[in-house]
Parts: sequence; structure tokens; C-alpha cells
Amino acid sequence: ILNVEQSPQSLHVQEGDSTNFTCSFPSSNFYALHWYRWETAKSPEALFVMTLNGDEKKKGRISATLNTKEGYSYLYIKGSQPEDSATYLCAATGNQFYFGTGTSLTVIP
Amino acid sequence: GAVVSQHPSWVICKSGTSVKIECRSLDFQATTMFWYRQFPKQSLMLMATSNEGSKATYEQGVEKDKFLINHASLTLSTLTVTSAHPEDSSFYICSAPKGLDEQYFGPGTRLTVT
Repeated sequence: ILNVEQSPQSLHVQEGDSTNFTCSFPSSNFYALHWYRWETAKSPEALFVMTLNGDEKKKGRISATLNTKEGYSYLYIKGSQPEDSATYLCAATGNQFYFGTGTSLTVIP
Repeated sequence: GAVVSQHPSWVICKSGTSVKIECRSLDFQATTMFWYRQFPKQSLMLMATSNEGSKATYEQGVEKDKFLINHASLTLSTLTVTSAHPEDSSFYICSAPKGLDEQYFGPGTRLTVT
């Protein structure tokens, strides 16, 4: 079982601010790290999947990095917009998916 | 990308009745499917792993006699909430992995027990 933790639990930022949050996971028995954007009562939307140490992925204003040696991943949002408000989940894959508890982001107009 | 469907998308039932939720992988086969539940203001909680051709594996604290899972084929898993009570009201999501790199989620089912 992989213990995946995310911080902070919740975050409020002003529109236009850049922000980042963390996903930490045990570095042993690790295969891949996934980031999802999840709005309540909807299906999670896959953002990134990363497997290699040092991986960096970017999608528009959102980017992510991966450090498998120390067991963490950062998700960055540049110039936050109200539509970015959602819960951002990370999941680490060992022999199955293990989700973190999520970071709830609220962007204030 | 791959598609996973869930049916129904929402259901209201009376306390004491049973409700069946279907999860289908529409364009790929899934020997394993996962069932999750969302508690209010909390993240997804894995309930059980559905295995085609064998018994489901339940997470600690999940009652297997209450949440019956059947993986009848390589494209269909069902979750039956038996003798539902108001505390079972929740949002249930299934997912089906394609290898370890991809996991596709259904749209979820909102269950309300009155």
C-alpha cells in the first residue's frame, strides 16, 4: 500500500496569482504519478502522468514536476483563473492506484 | 481516449431497498475495475477492487455484504448497495485502468436514500 499525501488541504488565491501544491509518496515500489483535476460530482479529469525522475509536464498554465528519489511532485498553476477552482488529486501507482486526499483550490475573482 | 460509462447517473431510493450501479468500459477490456465513494468535502475513497472472474477485494472498513460487487464480464462491473440507508447517500465513481499508465473514470452516480 502506498501512502500518498497532499498539501495544503485547501488554498484560496486571488485571480492572477500563481500557486503550487505538493504530493508526496513513498519512493519505493513506485511506478507512476498522476495528477487529476476534479470538480465535485463530476468525473476526475486526467492532467498528467509522469514516471521518470526529473519529469516535467506542462498543459497551458498548469505544469508539474516529479522527484522519485525523494518522493514528491509539485503542481504549479500560473496566473490562476476562477475556472481553475477545483480539487487537484494526485495518485501514485504501485500495483494499483492510491489517491491522495486532494488540494481544494479556490480562485477569488 | 477510452470511455467508461456508469448507469444510472443519479438515483433516489427508499430506505431498505437495494440499488444497482453499472460500470462499463466501452472500448477496451478491463479485468480490473475500481469502485470509489466520495464523502462530503473529502477525496475519493477506494471501496473495492472488482476482478473479472473472481471475488472482489474490499478495502478495510467496507462491508462486503452491503456493497455487493460483481464483475460479470471484461467490460462490466456492478455495485449493488443492499438495504440502503440514508448514510449510504453519496457519490459513487468507478474506474477502469488500461495498464498502470492510464485510468479512466466513469461520470459517477449520485445516490440519495430517503
